[in-house]
Amino acid sequence: DADVTQTPRNRITKTGKRIMLECSQTKGHDRMYWYRQDPGLGLRLIYYSFDVKDINKGEISDGYSVSRQAQAKFSLSLESAIPNQTALYFCATSDLGVSYTFGSGTRLTVV
Amino acid sequence: AQKVTQAQTEISVVEKEDVTLDCVYETRDTTYYLFWYKQPPSGELVFLIRRNSFDEQNEISGRYSWNFQKSTSSFNFTITASQVVDSAVYFCALSPWASGSRLTFGEGTQLTVNP
Repeated sequence: DADVTQTPRNRITKTGKRIMLECSQTKGHDRMYWYRQDPGLGLRLIYYSFDVKDINKGEISDGYSVSRQAQAKFSLSLESAIPNQTALYFCATSDLGVSYTFGSGTRLTVV
Repeated sequence: AQKVTQAQTEISVVEKEDVTLDCVYETRDTTYYLFWYKQPPSGELVFLIRRNSFDEQNEISGRYSWNFQKSTSSFNFTITASQVVDSAVYFCALSPWASGSRLTFGEGTQLTVNP
């Protein structure tokens, strides 16, 4: 099994629908992150969590929410998806910023 | 605030040419880590190297080499004798150590190596 697992791998959804992207990890890291990748913009931070009771907004949190259900699980929700949220989403974990482990990504299309 | 700039959006070379990907960063932290990742067409992120802010030694790994210069806030990546399989998007990234750890990425450089 991968150290960081993202589900689903691909998703097509309609405008206005609620969707949840899930992330689970076996690294034992406290720190988890959600990034969004758009062509030409690199990866941008949506939300991050340093432990179960700690949730922080990143640079592009509008339109997103997260839930840290356990040390190993960190979910990203789009309450009402819109087409400009079409992107590649990555979940990552870290040990104090020394190393980062990324999931394989979720390709989300909002039509 | 942190910032990473990769000024080269796209680079195209012919196989066996050497190519250097530039990365310039800004940070107020004294302890930080710099990273390079490769993203092949399949989309996953492949870790290439990590450097901490106290280690300015250049590093070589096969055809890859990295030049870290704190004086110019640069962490450049050179591929020697490029191959078609090197075609990918390459990202430079920065993370402060410990308390504020989160990766800030550059915009990425699309490298195309033509046969």
